[in-house]
Amino acid sequence: EADIYQTPRYLVIGTGKKITLECSQTMGHDKMYWYQQDPGMELHLIHYSYGVNSTEKGDLSSESTVSRIRTEHFPLTLESARPSHTSQYLCASSPPHGGGAFFGQGTRLTVV
Amino acid sequence: KNQVEQSPQSLIILEGKNCTLQCNYTVSPFSNLRWYKQDTGRGPVSLTIMTFSENTKSNGRYTATLDADTKQSSLHITASQLSDSASYICVVSDRGSTLGRLYFGRGTQLTVWP
Repeated sequence: EADIYQTPRYLVIGTGKKITLECSQTMGHDKMYWYQQDPGMELHLIHYSYGVNSTEKGDLSSESTVSRIRTEHFPLTLESARPSHTSQYLCASSPPHGGGAFFGQGTRLTVV
Repeated sequence: KNQVEQSPQSLIILEGKNCTLQCNYTVSPFSNLRWYKQDTGRGPVSLTIMTFSENTKSNGRYTATLDADTKQSSLHITASQLSDSASYICVVSDRGSTLGRLYFGRGTQLTVWP
């Protein structure tokens, strides 16, 4: 299976804090994605990237931001966390000619 | 509108029994279809991937079928095990955009009882 890593796996943080969720892949994939998933619910695309210096917002409005300075790294940042940001965040990447996506293990974020 | 519909929404079966999950899609132009298994609190893990020309593909006890004409896919699980309890998600990729958009079904929540 593919090599895509997310850290941390779990994070509990206070309201107003700035956080960055890390995502790295070692496959050289240009396309990377961030999805948000509430428990038992479907995945919603919040950000995606075609490659270095390319970032776009997804279908679901999110107060988070992303950056893509290196091909292998696609971090997601929340400048001021709120309880409404409590969710699971999944990072994915896909090869250039389709084939679906490979997912990381996810980061479960709880904002208290 | 591109959509992916899965049924049933949830399913309970006894250990050792077989089951079949359904996925209907309207995504066009179609690129490929993947079935993922997602354990609670973890990321989805790919089980099978099928392109337009493939009708069936197996991965151990998992067998996926694809009918590109009717835009239907199924995932058959043979001799279920307790560890099969998870959400099974059908994901269809299009080839009409540079991104290769992914369209997700809501998933079928499978519970296997001893």
